[in-house]
Amino acid sequence: AQSVTQLGSHVSVSEGALVLLRCNYSSSVPPYLFWYVQYPNQGLQLLLKYTTGATLVKGINGFEAEFKKSETSFHLTKPSAHMSDAAEYFCAVSSSGGYNKLIFGAGTRLAVHP
Amino acid sequence: DADVTQTPRNRITKTGKRIMLECSQTKGHDRMYWYRQDPGLGLRLIYYSFDVKDINKGEISDGYSVSRQAQAKFSLSLESAIPNQTALYFCATSGSQAPTDTQYFGPGTRLTVL
Repeated sequence: AQSVTQLGSHVSVSEGALVLLRCNYSSSVPPYLFWYVQYPNQGLQLLLKYTTGATLVKGINGFEAEFKKSETSFHLTKPSAHMSDAAEYFCAVSSSGGYNKLIFGAGTRLAVHP
Repeated sequence: DADVTQTPRNRITKTGKRIMLECSQTKGHDRMYWYRQDPGLGLRLIYYSFDVKDINKGEISDGYSVSRQAQAKFSLSLESAIPNQTALYFCATSGSQAPTDTQYFGPGTRLTVL
């Protein structure tokens, strides 16, 4: 069975500091991995995804994530946090086979303070 | 106009009542999903549908039913609402390039069962 673990339910950083949100996955087959962001009172929107190929994936708003198979990780980073990055972030893995069912982590709420 | 819409956006109801949440999409996608979000649990899949004639249970389908009235419409019903169904409900859609296709989420319905 596939699963996703996000380390840290709350992360707080200063504006301009590095953002690092951690995600580890468990999968018996090659995983497809996603990061979604949820701004207050909104639905989720895709930040980036890893399917195949390059293990460093760049997404919107300056975020990127690196797929590390040996560490079963897909951590999300941004070099310099902005106040507008405050949101909840979800890591997800897509189930194998012909279906597109996402299995989500519990989420990490990012706070950015001046 | 939003690609994925949900109605109502907020609903308060009483234990035992039947409730229907509606989802419509203009993206032309075949695949539609219903998730519920609970604090600290992330999103969990309730039902998913790959076309009008295909309905599948997700990991937490007990107490819920769905109807796919058309390609663009997917409704979620709570037959007899109970307080632990208080949650944020999201509809999502995706294209057919499973399992890598992006899912697009509606703005959510906040349901409170008293």
